[in-house]
Amino acid sequence: AQKVTQAQTEISVVEKEDVTLDCVYETRDTTYYLFWYKQPPSGELVFLIRRNSFDEQNEISGRYSWNFQKSTSSFNFTITASQVVDSAVYFCALSEAQVQGAQKLVFGQGTRLTINP
Amino acid sequence: DSGVTQTPKHLITATGQRVTLRCSPRSGDLSVYWYQQSLDQGLQFLIQYYNGEERAKGNILERFSAQQFPDLHSELNLSSLELGDSALYFCASSVVPRPGPELFFGEGSRLTVL
Repeated sequence: AQKVTQAQTEISVVEKEDVTLDCVYETRDTTYYLFWYKQPPSGELVFLIRRNSFDEQNEISGRYSWNFQKSTSSFNFTITASQVVDSAVYFCALSEAQVQGAQKLVFGQGTRLTINP
Repeated sequence: DSGVTQTPKHLITATGQRVTLRCSPRSGDLSVYWYQQSLDQGLQFLIQYYNGEERAKGNILERFSAQQFPDLHSELNLSSLELGDSALYFCASSVVPRPGPELFFGEGSRLTVL
């Protein structure tokens, strides 16, 4: 069965610090997809990144970077030089390749990130 | 703005009642998904539709039902409501139901059952 674990329930840092959010997943599939979503205080879920299981290249987008390691079943997310606007709940999610186009995202419990000025 | 529209944004009702949540997917998206976010269960997948047909089912209670209409909008019906049904209900859409597309979520409908 699929499972996503975000062991850090809450993280609080001072602005401009770097912060890493951990995500560990479990799946029996060889083909799967990993996602990160951001949920700001306003409540909507904002898509950040998708990664398939065959692409282990790390990705950088501005101050955001993602480290995918199949050997440790981890897909960690780092924010460099954090800003107050980064304060949100961040969710890691997993989707296995389903038959007939079915798509089920399994979410972790989320990490509440607070950036203090 | 994700382009997914959900109504109503907030809803307060009493136990035993029935409510309908509505979702309009992004223009061009054929697949619609419903998720429930509650404090104790977190974000849970309920059901997925593609072009009017059910494609996948998750932890959706028998008291809940959904459908997708020919114009691709979807409705989630919640009946015989209980206090535990209080949650934020999200709709999401994607272009096609192939595995791994990014889902674009609406702002959610917050249901409070008193």
